[in-house]
Amino acid sequence: DAGVIQSPRHEVTEMGQEVTLRCKPISGHNSLFWYRQTMMRGLELLIYFNNNVPIDDSGMPEDRFSAKMPNASFSTLKIQPSEPRDSAVYFCASSFVMGNEQFFGPGTRLTVL
Amino acid sequence: GQQVMQIPQYQHVQEGEDFTTYCNSSTTLSNIQWYKQRPGGHPVFLIQLVKSGEVKKQKRLTFQFGEAKKNSSLHITATQTTDVGTYFCAGSYGQNFVFGPGTRLSVLP
Repeated sequence: DAGVIQSPRHEVTEMGQEVTLRCKPISGHNSLFWYRQTMMRGLELLIYFNNNVPIDDSGMPEDRFSAKMPNASFSTLKIQPSEPRDSAVYFCASSFVMGNEQFFGPGTRLTVL
Repeated sequence: GQQVMQIPQYQHVQEGEDFTTYCNSSTTLSNIQWYKQRPGGHPVFLIQLVKSGEVKKQKRLTFQFGEAKKNSSLHITATQTTDVGTYFCAGSYGQNFVFGPGTRLSVLP
């Protein structure tokens, strides 16, 4: 298996633009997580899905952030409009079931100018 | 809400010295996991502890889960430069999952 796949690996955009991050979890995994990591705030859980259904989105910073999981093999995290303070590394992770070990993707490094 | 704390925030050691990081939860955990993130990399799962008082070893790494299932520790014996990175604990509270802030380890050769 290729592991968790994220794209793009790097994204540089200007303030106000829409940003879409993509994730393909490991086949057969039922839980998917989106995290944001910065030096100041560490690793923050934004949202997680179980069987494609969002379970807890309390970590989503504000309405500019939205996440979808239309099927078991694909998820997106969208920021619209983006702001410089959104600059961070965004990780997607998946696990077989909630509570099991999580497999992280390589992350997307987002820079908003 | 649930909180997971880790100490120390940073640790600098000479190669060959031991290292310990501690993880504390405000409430009882279902289980606890440990992850390692190398500089520029992504978190990688190390181990999961489930039972009260559980101790597990992986070569030079020893993991413990407290009797009350509210704290845990990771001890590395005789550190090597390959141990450099940030070590995170992650506590499971039923359906919720919370990562600690991590301990960043530097190993001087």
